[in-house]
Amino acid sequence: GIQVEQSPPDLILQEGANSTLRCNFSDSVNNLQWFHQNPWGQLINLFYIPSGTKQNGRLSATTVATERYSLLYISSSQTTDSGVYFCAVTGPGSSNTGKLIFGQGTTLQVKP
Amino acid sequence: NAGVTQTPKFRVLKTGQSMTLLCAQDMNHEYMYWYRQDPGMGLRLIHYSVGEGTTAKGEVPDGYNVSRLKKQNFLLGLESAAPSQTSVYFCASSPGLAGGGREQFFGPGTRLTVL
Repeated sequence: GIQVEQSPPDLILQEGANSTLRCNFSDSVNNLQWFHQNPWGQLINLFYIPSGTKQNGRLSATTVATERYSLLYISSSQTTDSGVYFCAVTGPGSSNTGKLIFGQGTTLQVKP
Repeated sequence: NAGVTQTPKFRVLKTGQSMTLLCAQDMNHEYMYWYRQDPGMGLRLIHYSVGEGTTAKGEVPDGYNVSRLKKQNFLLGLESAAPSQTSVYFCASSPGLAGGGREQFFGPGTRLTVL
């Protein structure tokens, strides 16, 4: 099945700094989503981005499907950005069911 | 819209007990999913449904059963709970191919402890 790898596994930033999180996947994808899991455990949808670039406030994401990676950019980080960021994909064998395969996540800590 | 809701939020079971987790969505989504999340890991798919009356196995289905009698509800059952089923359970839904969308939306989770 499709493999999803995220890097770095852990990241510590000072408030106001910028960061880039990476997601590599081993096959073509029909769906790619970025989630933020906050310290209370809630999964928050950030982007649905199987290809192209999107922006939402201080966050933006780019997926280059032909090269099998996606990047999540966080600018001017805030303490509320802390938590775990997950990348999840649907591979070609699951296009009819939409099953998501999750990466292991990047744990971000933003210090005041 | 409430989106995706899950009942209960927390539960403690003894080994061998049974229980049912309820997931409800008010977005008229066709597809629904149950995932589990263990410490330090991403989510893994337990079972899923692509429409009312249909269910199928995901990555880690052993020890669980599901039912989708109504489009808006997806039930996850544990017939005889084991400590290995201690986890956080997330339900998700998506419009599905016919509904024009693959994006999945998640509920708040149910934290289950099996002693």
